[in-house]
Amino acid sequence: SQQGEEDPQALSIQEGENATMNCSYKTSINNLQWYRQNSGRGLVHLILIRSNEREKHSGRLRVTLDTSKKSSSLLITASRAADTASYFCAPPDAGGTSYGKLTFGQGTILTVHP
Amino acid sequence: GAGVSQSPSNKVTEKGKDVELRCDPISGHTALYWYRQRLGQGLEFLIYFQGNSAPDKSGLPSDRFSAERTGESVSTLTIQRTQQEDSAVYLCASRAQGASTGELFFGEGSRLTVL
Repeated sequence: SQQGEEDPQALSIQEGENATMNCSYKTSINNLQWYRQNSGRGLVHLILIRSNEREKHSGRLRVTLDTSKKSSSLLITASRAADTASYFCAPPDAGGTSYGKLTFGQGTILTVHP
Repeated sequence: GAGVSQSPSNKVTEKGKDVELRCDPISGHTALYWYRQRLGQGLEFLIYFQGNSAPDKSGLPSDRFSAERTGESVSTLTIQRTQQEDSAVYLCASRAQGASTGELFFGEGSRLTVL
């Protein structure tokens, strides 16, 4: 089954810096989602990018998608200590849609130091 | 309720005992997912329910694990004869039918500790 692989596994930065996390996947998709997980809690949906979109913005988040390379990136600009969390990408499974099984990788653990 | 509700939030049990974990999805959400997250690890897919279709059980790790869902409402995940390696947070998520974003809404999880 499809599973995103996030890179790096861990990222440590200072407040105000930008954080970039990458995701690679294996099979064709028509969209990809990013989620955030604060320590020990449920995941929260951040953004969905469709295959016909190369870039999408939401507040301080910028997501890109390169379907030719089967990769996506999540950029958090002007990071804050409150951005400290784990970040997961979720490419859809069978059929390339998000309307079926959705698997998650190991995530990127982001630590933002005040 | 407004969100996905899971209970119990914490469960400590002895090895060999059976446990039941409950998930109340958002009302009207047809899809329901269970995941397992061991300490410091990513999410492992366990099972997926979609409406009245047969569930996708491909992630259940052994026959000690089972899950049920009645219609489009509550789901229970049952672990029989628990083992120490079953210790983890069990997360439930639901999704609306035909949601344009495919967004999953997660509960806060049930933390299971097997002694």
